Amino acid sequence: QSALTQPASVSGSPGQSITISCTGTRSDVGGYNYVSWYQHHPDKAPKLMIYDVSNRPSGVSNRFSGSKSGNTASLTISGLQAEDEADYYCASYTSSSTHVFGGGTKLTVL
Amino acid sequence: EVQLVESGGDLLQPGGSLRLSCAASGFTFSSYAMSWVRQAPGKGLEWVSAISGTGAGTFYADSVKGRFTISRDNSKNTLYLQMNSLRAEDTAVYYCAKPLYSSGWWRPDSWGQGTLVTVSS
Repeated sequence: QSALTQPASVSGSPGQSITISCTGTRSDVGGYNYVSWYQHHPDKAPKLMIYDVSNRPSGVSNRFSGSKSGNTASLTISGLQAEDEADYYCASYTSSSTHVFGGGTKLTVL
Repeated sequence: EVQLVESGGDLLQPGGSLRLSCAASGFTFSSYAMSWVRQAPGKGLEWVSAISGTGAGTFYADSVKGRFTISRDNSKNTLYLQMNSLRAEDTAVYYCAKPLYSSGWWRPDSWGQGTLVTVSS
């Protein structure tokens, strides 16, 4: 199972919006509405930010939103804040009954 | 409050074996499927394995299939990962994770602090 494809890095200024893409195949992202997004700060446990493409767990800011079109999912962060600087990973359920993560995207808040 | 505490990480040589444990508390352990996810040094997250709440269903990444075995003891609220034929590329921090809902292990929501496994000669 190949990792989902994410950009290695994105950046934005405070207050701006950014979007991180996550490209897979019909066997994972395109075939199921089971795409999740995780925020990972160094030396901390990953945090679930979005599940099932566009749902936010309780307590996650509404500045985070998710969507999907075909084989590509996207995470949008609006109103960027310094605390948003972290690594972001997408993940998807697959047709092989496995779970696959993206390679990760480093978000820098300028 | 959900708590997941991994243990068992160690330094060992290629070809060796190790069993990781994850002690769970704060939720009805037997009702939830559970997962193991790892992160190699300087690399991204990689899903390793998952197991259903009863233990009847198990799932593995291709990279560990045939070498790793996931299991659970619901009487002890503990998840395990038996790792055999270890390779240098298995070096990573291993996290256990609980999903957001009792069904759908592919939505890991609560994570432990991780335990480090180093495979090196």
